Amino acid sequence: DIQMTQSPSSLSASVGDTVTITCRASQGIHNFVAWFQQKPGKAPKSLIYAASSLQSGVPSRFSASGSGTDFTLTISSLQPEDFAIYYCQHYFTYPPSFGQGTRLEI
Amino acid sequence: EVQLMESGGGLVQPGGSLRLSCEASGFTFSSYSMAWVRQAPGKGLEWVSAISGGIDKRYYAPSVKGRFTISRDNSKNTVYLQMDSLRAEDTAFYYCTKDRLTSTTPSWFFDRWGRGTLVTVSS
Repeated sequence: DIQMTQSPSSLSASVGDTVTITCRASQGIHNFVAWFQQKPGKAPKSLIYAASSLQSGVPSRFSASGSGTDFTLTISSLQPEDFAIYYCQHYFTYPPSFGQGTRLEI
Repeated sequence: EVQLMESGGGLVQPGGSLRLSCEASGFTFSSYSMAWVRQAPGKGLEWVSAISGGIDKRYYAPSVKGRFTISRDNSKNTVYLQMDSLRAEDTAFYYCTKDRLTSTTPSWFFDRWGRGTLVTVSS
């Protein structure tokens, strides 16, 4: 099975900052990566698919890139509503799996 | 608008059973694979089970294989998760999710999620 390793596990930043979260796959997965945002008490929300494609309605300050084994999610000009937990997920093959999450804190 | 509404969660004793339901609306239900993903309180996400849209093919995580059964009723736009021989480690929020693409087999990217239902396994 493919493992997804996220870093860092937690991150402190301020409103207006730019932050980057990374995710590494245990083997090559082309661009079959998605990113999710989860706020306290809520279900995860899809932000990015196919490594870099923004879901409809997601602000353009979210961007992502990568291919093969290394992937990044970048949030520019952080807004108060961006403080949440972020997960990467591979969907290259069955079974899919998630990274362990990155908590973005003020 | 896509909506996924889970129900059926609750408190159950170890070894007991529970059936979760997820009623879907806002899309052609029969054309999409559906899946369940769970999250233990304060922990990360774990894919549990999926069922294809076109053909009756089912998939399970090793941790639940042989104990959980996924099914769907396209006439009711509903997907189910029958959970038997429940263990304390099955305690989690269970989310119903919808595949992004229409296909006879899952793409494994589930882009829409319900609000979740909490299953607590405890004596």
